[in-house]
Amino acid sequence: QKEVEQDPGPLSVPEGAIVSLNCTYSNSAFQYFMWYRQYSRKGPELLMYTYSSGNKEDGRFTAQVDKSSKYISLFIRDSQPSDSATYLCAMKQTGANNLFFGTGTRLTVIP
Amino acid sequence: GAGVSQSPRYKVAKRGQDVALRCDPISGHVSLFWYQQALGQGPEFLTYFQNEAQLDKSGLPSDRFFAERPEGSVSTLKIQRTQQEDSAVYLCASSLDEFRGLYQPQHFGDGTRLSIL
Repeated sequence: QKEVEQDPGPLSVPEGAIVSLNCTYSNSAFQYFMWYRQYSRKGPELLMYTYSSGNKEDGRFTAQVDKSSKYISLFIRDSQPSDSATYLCAMKQTGANNLFFGTGTRLTVIP
Repeated sequence: GAGVSQSPRYKVAKRGQDVALRCDPISGHVSLFWYQQALGQGPEFLTYFQNEAQLDKSGLPSDRFFAERPEGSVSTLKIQRTQQEDSAVYLCASSLDEFRGLYQPQHFGDGTRLSIL
């Protein structure tokens, strides 16, 4: 079992829809939770990160962390065709160096 | 430049050849990471440097993989006697030092796409 599980999709939604992306994890020591966006043939681009449980909002993006369930989510409101990309969740322990990534979910927003 | 720069962007090599991949981190970033991303997968950690010191190489898959950062800036990932399973995108990331435990996010380059024939 991988430490971070993420449904690879693909996920297709119409423009303007609300998108929900999720990851589960098994390591209760993870304290930092990140969402990266990766366009084709590009490197991952950091969207948001949160520490421990709770919500964080940035424009059309909202990240949620539920440590009791070991479950994190990214919501995208009013989705746009430019949001079409692969979304990667990533996690880190306090004091550790490396990130643990999910497989990535490929999202397509249809105009 | 403003971001992490990696070269070459694409590398094709025959099985058994040695390759060297370069990473130029964001200026002032003391931490540097290498990741391997297989097709359809998320990045997987290879190794970590703080300045010139390689503090963690637990993710290197074999002794054919070697990384260095001799002056604490540019880093090179070298793969000797390449195998077909080495085909992947190799990503470099850098970050500021986590001073007093304050998390510093990792910023990624666009990677080197390595194909072994």
